[in-house]
Amino acid sequence: DAKTTQPNSMESNEEEPVHLPCNHSTISGTDYIHWYRQLPSQGPEYVIHGLTSNVNNRMASLAIAEDRKSSTLILHRATLRDAAVYYCILARAGKSTFGDGTTLTVKP
Amino acid sequence: DAGVTQSPTHLIKTRGQQVTLRCSPISGHKSVSWYQQVLGQGPQFIFQYYEKEERGRGNFPDRFSARQFPNYSSELNVNALLLGDSALYLCASSRDRLANYGYTFGSGTRLTVV
Repeated sequence: DAKTTQPNSMESNEEEPVHLPCNHSTISGTDYIHWYRQLPSQGPEYVIHGLTSNVNNRMASLAIAEDRKSSTLILHRATLRDAAVYYCILARAGKSTFGDGTTLTVKP
Repeated sequence: DAGVTQSPTHLIKTRGQQVTLRCSPISGHKSVSWYQQVLGQGPQFIFQYYEKEERGRGNFPDRFSARQFPNYSSELNVNALLLGDSALYLCASSRDRLANYGYTFGSGTRLTVV
C-alpha cells in the first residue's frame, strides 16, 4: 500500500501561515500527491495535488521535496474556516490510500 | 454542474440484512471509487471502477461488491450486514483512472447497523 504519515494534530493562530507536513517514503514514480480536507459529517474536499513541481492554487500551495518522499501543504493565512482534518494521499491507479490525517485547529 | 450525489443520505439496517448504496459521478467523470469511513478514522478504500470494470479492490470481505453502469453511476452492495459495517460510505469520482485532476467526493451515506 502507498502509505503516508502525518502528525495527528496541529494548531495555528488565525491569519498566520500553516505548514502541514506529510511523509510518503514509499512513493513510486507515477504516484500523484493529493491533499484533501474534511469537515465533520461531510465528504473530503479537494485542496491541491502535484507530481514533482511545487503547485499553487487559490486555496493553498504544495511544496514537494526533490526526492518526492515528503511534501508540505501551505495555507498562507489561516482562517477559522480552515479548521478541518487534512489528508495527504498518494493517488495510484486502482487505489488511493488515506491515512488518519492531521486535525488542524485555528485559534482566533 | 451537480457534484457527486449519493443516496440515501442516511439509513438504518438490521444485522444480517443487505444494503445497496448509490452514487452518481460528476458529468464526464468515468471513474468511481468507494470508501468506508469509520468514526475517527480516515477513509478506507473499498473499490475503484473505471469504464465499467473493477480496477482496484481494498481489503474488504466478499460481502462487499459493486458495479458501474453505462452512464458511469455506481452501486455498492453489502450483504449479511454486521455491526462493524456501521460507517460513512463515501463515493469519489474522477475524470480518469489515475485521478490526474483530483477526486470529487460526495457527502456520503451514513449507514447504521443495529
